Amino acid sequence: QVTLRESGPALVKPSQTLTLTCSFSGFSLTTRQTCVSWIRQPPGKALEWLALIDWDDDKFYSTSLKTRLTISRDLSKNQVVLTMTNVDPVDSATYYCARATPDIDGYYFDYWGQGTLVTVSS
Amino acid sequence: QSVLTQPPSASGTPGQRVTISCSGSSSNIGSNAVNWYQQLPGTAPKLLIFSDNERPSGVPDRFSGSKSATSASLAISGLQSEDEADYYCAAWDDTLGAEFFGGGTKLTVL
Repeated sequence: QVTLRESGPALVKPSQTLTLTCSFSGFSLTTRQTCVSWIRQPPGKALEWLALIDWDDDKFYSTSLKTRLTISRDLSKNQVVLTMTNVDPVDSATYYCARATPDIDGYYFDYWGQGTLVTVSS
Repeated sequence: QSVLTQPPSASGTPGQRVTISCSGSSSNIGSNAVNWYQQLPGTAPKLLIFSDNERPSGVPDRFSGSKSATSASLAISGLQSEDEADYYCAAWDDTLGAEFFGGGTKLTVL
């Protein structure tokens, strides 16, 4: 079955770089029409889409965060990594990775990890 | 100003039918599929509706989606207490080249 699990530091200092790893099983990122995305949710707030990487290694980023984000994949490990530079307390959130399936005109997130809570504080 | 706009709250009594709206523009809802996610308290979101009105396997047919022009709606019929959750719409925006979520609607079952 499809599973995803996020991992990374629970606490990061302001201005540091945050690195999160999504380890997945039950599907392959080399299969056509298969993608992985990152989404975050600050405490008590709405979901915010961050980035997506697809089977062709094409990458897409949030318009407001694109200068700070990098998404990459390690096919040998079935992992997708998200790095966010120069973090700020407003980046404190639960970070989710999700499998994304492209539709005719967009994507939908059909499987989600449980999320990992990241706090940015000195 | 959000790309996709949802009412912050909705409510209904058991057995009722409730609808949650999602308003966008021609570059997102008007030209791309709308998806809906349900987030129960303390859990990860779950795909509820995709491609405007399709239900993934296992989602009860009490949940349905519709779309007209630049607005979409999620309808829940036969409301149950376990439907109390946050609901989010989402769509790709062609102009901005990114995925967007609505601000979420908190559904309370009275």
